[in-house]
Parts: sequence; structure tokens; C-alpha cells
Amino acid sequence: DIQMTQSPSSLSAFVGDRITITCRASQYISNSLAWYQQKPGKAPKLLVYAASRLESGVPSRFSGGGSGTAYSLTINSLQPEDLATYYCQQYFGTPRAFGGGTKVEI
Amino acid sequence: QVQLVQSGAEVKKPGASVKVSCKTSGYTFSSYDINWVRQATGQGLEWMGWMNPNSGSTGYAQKFQGRITLTRNTSIGTAYMELTSLTSEDTAVYYCARDRQDYSGSTFIDFWGQGTLVTVSS
Repeated sequence: DIQMTQSPSSLSAFVGDRITITCRASQYISNSLAWYQQKPGKAPKLLVYAASRLESGVPSRFSGGGSGTAYSLTINSLQPEDLATYYCQQYFGTPRAFGGGTKVEI
Repeated sequence: QVQLVQSGAEVKKPGASVKVSCKTSGYTFSSYDINWVRQATGQGLEWMGWMNPNSGSTGYAQKFQGRITLTRNTSIGTAYMELTSLTSEDTAVYYCARDRQDYSGSTFIDFWGQGTLVTVSS
């Protein structure tokens, strides 16, 4: 099974900061990686798919990158509404493992 | 617009079974796979399995093999997840989620249901 290691598990930042969350797969996943944002008490929301493709309607301050086994989600100019937990998920193979999540506090 | 609306909260006793429904609208039900994902309180997301609504084919995470069954009723655009032999460890919010293909043909989750809380308690 493919394991996903996400870091950091939490971070605190200020409005306007740039933050980066990383996700490492235990094996090659061919850019088959998505990022989700989950706000408290809500279902997750898709932000990025295919490692770097921004979902329609997602603000351009979010961006994804990486390749092979190492991937990242960057939020430029952090906003108060970005307070949430962020998860990566690989969809290269089953089971489709999620990363452990990164809680972003502002 | 795409919507996945799940059934309401459930309280079950240890050893019992639960069946959660996921009614879809706003798209062709048989054209997109459905996943099930759960989340224990304060914990991360755990992928449980998927189903192709057209063929009925399924795939399950090893952890749930033998306890989980995914089914569908195509006439009403609804998917179901049944989990048996419940223990307190199964207390969680259960989500259904739709798949979509990316440019390479691989599928990823794009829309989620609102979640169904299942509480297992004696």
C-alpha cells in the first residue's frame, strides 16, 4: 500500500503570509495527487488535482506542485478564511491513502 | 449543480450494522464512481472503498474487507454503504464522495456529501 506522509501536522501563521505544506508518498504516484481543504464541521473541498491543477472557483493564491514522490501545497497571502485542515490524497493506487492532515491556524 | 445528500445520524449498539445512503443529483449517476471515506472525531480522513454505479463493481480497503458492502439503486441515483459488526472504533462521520477523471484518465474525488455521523455505543 502507498503511504502518505504530510508535514507539518500544524502551523500558525499571520494574514498575508505564504505557507507551504508538503506531502511525501512512499512510492512513485505519477502526479496523481489531490489536495483538500476541510473547515471545522464541514466536508472536505477539492482545491488541487493532478498535483498542480487548480479546481475551478478556487482562489489563485492556492497552488500545488511537485512530482515523483514529493508534493506541496502553497498558499500565498494567507487569508482569515483559510483557517482549516488541509489533506493530500494519492489516487495512483488503491487504497487511496490520505495524508495525516495539516491544521492551519491564523 | 452536483449534490450528494446523505441520510441522517445513526446510533447503533456494538455488533449491529448500519446502512448509510447517498442520494445524488445534478449529474448522470451511472457515469461517476462513488467513494466512501470516514473520519473519527478529531482525526484524519480514511478511505474505505469505491463503487462503479454503472457496473456495480466495487473495491474495498483491506481493513474493511468482509464488513463493508457498497451497493446502488440506479433508478433513484442513490448509493449505499453498509458496515457490519460495529464496534466503538467505528464511531465516525461517514462521507460519500464522487470521482472525476483527470487528464490522464485517473480518477479523484471532486464532490463530497455532507457526512453522516454514526455513533456506536452500548
